[in-house]
Order: sequence, then C-alpha cells, then structure tokens
Amino acid sequence: EVQLVESGGGLVQPGGSLRLSCAASGFIFRNYNMNWVRQAPGKGLEWVSHISSSSSTIYYADSVRGRFTISRDNAKNSLYLQMNSLRDEDTAVYYCARVDWASLVFDVWGQGTMLTVSS
Amino acid sequence: QSALTQPASVSGSPGQSITISCSGTISDVGSYNLVSWYQQHPGKAPKVMIYEVSKRPSGVSNRFSGSKSGNTASLTISGLQAEDEADYYCCSYASSSTIIFGGGTRLTVL
Repeated sequence: EVQLVESGGGLVQPGGSLRLSCAASGFIFRNYNMNWVRQAPGKGLEWVSHISSSSSTIYYADSVRGRFTISRDNAKNSLYLQMNSLRDEDTAVYYCARVDWASLVFDVWGQGTMLTVSS
Repeated sequence: QSALTQPASVSGSPGQSITISCSGTISDVGSYNLVSWYQQHPGKAPKVMIYEVSKRPSGVSNRFSGSKSGNTASLTISGLQAEDEADYYCCSYASSSTIIFGGGTRLTVL
C-alpha cells in the first residue's frame, strides 16, 4: 500500500524550532518529487515547499522562505521540514504529499501532523 | 502570492449539477494549463479530482469535469450525490516556480 506518514508536530513557542518528518512506503521514494502543504485550522490549503527526487531542485513559498528548510533522505525513504523562527501564523496541519510536478498533481497525501505555535 | 478566488460555498440538490469557479491572474491560471482540483472531506487529506485543467485520474467519477477560460478555471459536478459534500480547492502553477491554492469552496448537497 502506498503510504505517507507524518510525525514531529507539537506545541512550540514563537521563535522556536521544530523538524517534521514524513515516512514513505509502498513506492520507490527516490523516483518521486515531494512537497509539504499546510492547512491552518478552519482555513484553506497553502503550498509550503517542493523538493525534487534527487534534491537538486527546491522551492519555497514566500511565507516560509529563509525560515524553513526542506530535505530528504532517499536511503531512509524520508522527507523532512526543518522549521525555524516559528510564528503564530505557522500553526497548521502539515501534510507531506507526493507530486508529479510536470502535471501539478498531488497524488498521494499523508494524514497530516499538527503544529501549534503559541506562548 | 494571493490565493486564487473561489466562492465560499455552493449548494445543490441530489441529481443536479453545480459549477465551482476559480479565478486567478495572467501569472497563474491564465498562463498555465496546470490547474488541478482537490476534494477534502472533514478531517481527511485532500484527494485529486482533476488535473491539467480537465483530466481525470483513474478511479475518479466521470461526473467530475474541469475547464478553463482565460484566467478562470471551473469544476463541474453533475448528478450530485450525497458523498460529494465536501470542501473543494483549486490549485495552479504560478510564476517563479510556486504553487497557489484557492481559498476553498464548501459544497452542500441539500
């Protein structure tokens, strides 16, 4: 079964840091581009970041550029999101998603992990 | 990067058809045929329903269709069913290698 499982969410104070992880299974992880998408409570989806299959291409949304770092370890079938200088507005469910970048299709999603930034 | 503009809510009776619009700009929807639509039920992860404006992934009902005219994309659901009640989001490639989503539309099946 193709599956993505996020972990690492929690409660962090403003200005703090956290690293999210996403474990992939059921497909050849190293062949696929991966993204992070977030959703604030009661709000819509917001694209966060993209990483290509070989990590050679990385993109960020303006709202997180300079504070978040996306990475992956193909040997461990894992995707990561290092989040620094966290703000209240970063509070959201964070989804990892497999993406066909050429077609802009997010075809596999995890169940999400919740990040709450609050003092 | 502003979100694409969608109506906050639409509704229809079982068997009817509804259309959800997604308005963007020349920098996103208007310049690329890379518009996709996602269905999200409460507490669940999104599911792709349409990609590349009008293509349907395997397994998605042919009651779902997509189109685009200028800077506006549309999702049409025909023969509404109770299980179609969900939030729907459009998504487009934008300039500078970024992606933007619409604000979301809540579909209510009356």
